[in-house]
Amino acid sequence: AQSVAQPEDQVNVAEGNPLTVKCTYSVSGNPYLFWYVQYPNRGLQFLLKYITGDNLVKGSYGFEAEFNKSQTSFHLKKPSALVSDSALYFCAVRGASGGYNKLIFGAGTRLAVHP
Amino acid sequence: DVKVTQSSRYLVKRTGEKVFLECVQDMDHENMFWYRQDPGLGLRLIYFSYDVKMKEKGDIPEGYSVSREKKERFSLILESASTNQTSMYLCASSPPGQGYSYEQYFGPGTRLTVT
Repeated sequence: AQSVAQPEDQVNVAEGNPLTVKCTYSVSGNPYLFWYVQYPNRGLQFLLKYITGDNLVKGSYGFEAEFNKSQTSFHLKKPSALVSDSALYFCAVRGASGGYNKLIFGAGTRLAVHP
Repeated sequence: DVKVTQSSRYLVKRTGEKVFLECVQDMDHENMFWYRQDPGLGLRLIYFSYDVKMKEKGDIPEGYSVSREKKERFSLILESASTNQTSMYLCASSPPGQGYSYEQYFGPGTRLTVT
């Protein structure tokens, strides 16, 4: 069965420091991986995705993520955090052979960036 | 840009009422999804539709039904609302499963309270 784990409920980081939000997955076959961000009382916004190719994927707002097949991980990173990055972050996965673009979402990680 | 709209941002209903949540997308997407979001549980798929009049159960369909009479519109129906259906409801749409961009596009959400 497909699954996604986000092991941290909350990540705290000081403004200007690098941040990492962790995600591990389990899927049959090649994974398609996604990161979404949710600001308070809003829907989810797409940040970036890994489908194939380069393991380092760059996305919106300066975020990037690294696909590691051996560790089945897809951690979200940013070199220098901003207070405005504070939000709820979701990792999602689907198998390459999966139909209808169904995604499995993690439970979410709340990122708090302190001034 | 893809736009997914939901009929209400906030809704308060009484136990036993029939509730309709409407979702409209403007990108001619084949696939549409209804999720509920609860703290610590992430997003859970209620129902999805891959074509007009076609629907499939997701992970938590009990107590819900859906309707898709037109390609752009996907409705979620709570036949008899209960307090445990108090939640944030998110609608999403996406192109077909293969050969397209794969990500899902989300509406702003409807926060439903059942009293």
